[in-house]
Amino acid sequence: GAGVSQSPSNKVTEKGKDVELRCDPISGHTALYWYRQSLGQGLEFLIYFQGNSAPDKSGLPSDRFSAERTGGSVSTLTIQRTQQEDSAVYLCASSLGTGVDGYTFGSGTRLTVV
Amino acid sequence: GENVEQHPSTLSVQEGDSAVIKCTYSDSASNYFPWYKQELGKGPQLIIDIRSNVGEKKDQRIAVTLNKTAKHFSLHITETQPEDSAVYFCAAARNRLAFGKGNQVVVIP
Repeated sequence: GAGVSQSPSNKVTEKGKDVELRCDPISGHTALYWYRQSLGQGLEFLIYFQGNSAPDKSGLPSDRFSAERTGGSVSTLTIQRTQQEDSAVYLCASSLGTGVDGYTFGSGTRLTVV
Repeated sequence: GENVEQHPSTLSVQEGDSAVIKCTYSDSASNYFPWYKQELGKGPQLIIDIRSNVGEKKDQRIAVTLNKTAKHFSLHITETQPEDSAVYFCAAARNRLAFGKGNQVVVIP
């Protein structure tokens, strides 16, 4: 597609449930990034993919968080046993990955844990 | 790793005035410096970027300046308009972008 697509745009879930957030990057972009943005806060790095590999998972806040990427394209961020502090906007970005260049962000998934 | 700091955290300007946001970075090897604009309910959007081999870049009403010696770079918005109201993020990279915490710009009509 023309841009980075994220789904769902909004998700309300009960505490303790698992959620899956999807990111469809720009075609041909080999690098993919997940960020978390809490209300009024900056961008918290979660994980980075180059192709299907995740060389940097250092930002995942706990073992309840995991992510995968298949076929060098779509990525899924999974949060298990959600907690209220997981409520945030989860942003995905992609880039060509051939060097340092700008990221293109999706519009994010707003997750609310009740 | 790279550490990027952004000042001020909030900036209010009268419509038509200029706005300047400053960022400092820690890694002297960083060579790419983009700026992003985030409007309410949307993801950040790249508005301008600069590489370390130039000192200034301009695109219509926005410009970015880079001082490699002092390790700081700035975003300048001239003739501000209400639609410039947003959160602006700076970033710096050698390999992967490190973002500042963002700056809320409010343009007062």
